[in-house]
Amino acid sequence: DTEVTQTPKHLVMGMTNKKSLKCEQHMGHRAMYWYKQKAKKPPELMFVYSYEKLSINESVPSRFSPECPNSSLLNLHLHALQPEDSALYLCASSQASANPWNEQFFGPGTRLTVL
Amino acid sequence: RKEVEQDPGPFNVPEGATVAFNCTYSNSASQSFFWYRQDCRKEPKLLMSVYSSGNEDGRFTAQLNRASQYISLLIRDSKLSDSATYLCVVNLSPGNTGKLIFGQGTTLQVKP
Repeated sequence: DTEVTQTPKHLVMGMTNKKSLKCEQHMGHRAMYWYKQKAKKPPELMFVYSYEKLSINESVPSRFSPECPNSSLLNLHLHALQPEDSALYLCASSQASANPWNEQFFGPGTRLTVL
Repeated sequence: RKEVEQDPGPFNVPEGATVAFNCTYSNSASQSFFWYRQDCRKEPKLLMSVYSSGNEDGRFTAQLNRASQYISLLIRDSKLSDSATYLCVVNLSPGNTGKLIFGQGTTLQVKP
């Protein structure tokens, strides 16, 4: 099973709402990632988890809060977002080994609209 | 200067054409190199890794020049299904996770 799943596919939220994005993989990968992609732009790395511990935070605002409850799941908790946070949020996973050629597998993304 | 630079295109080519994409990267400590493909409103998918020795997969050939910090992708005998955005990607992380930096992407439209 070489698949990363994400829910929900689409999400519309107000600036005062709290919501969560979910990501799941069953490939035994121990590295998981959150990316943000604006329209007609490339994906930008937000967070990296390695063995369920946060290893990279690319200076993301605190209104985005990641969580890795176990080796298969990755969440992104959203609170007090701004309209400019509207984007496609992509989750990815890869093996966690000292091999820079490990492929990252991407999920289909959650398309977020903040009103 | 952007860390990974690509010509955004679009490249509009007829079926059967050969098309080449180029990419440059700024960080000489970059660990590994890839071409990803992204279809409209879909997620990126790995097309091929780019090794120093170059590699070929069917109609696709990728080359890396570490001295010039330059990566290329050649597509021969273009098909309609090759229409997509091609992302040049560099991995900056030497550790056990990847830190992928994506170029802006080059859009290819193959026409009948």
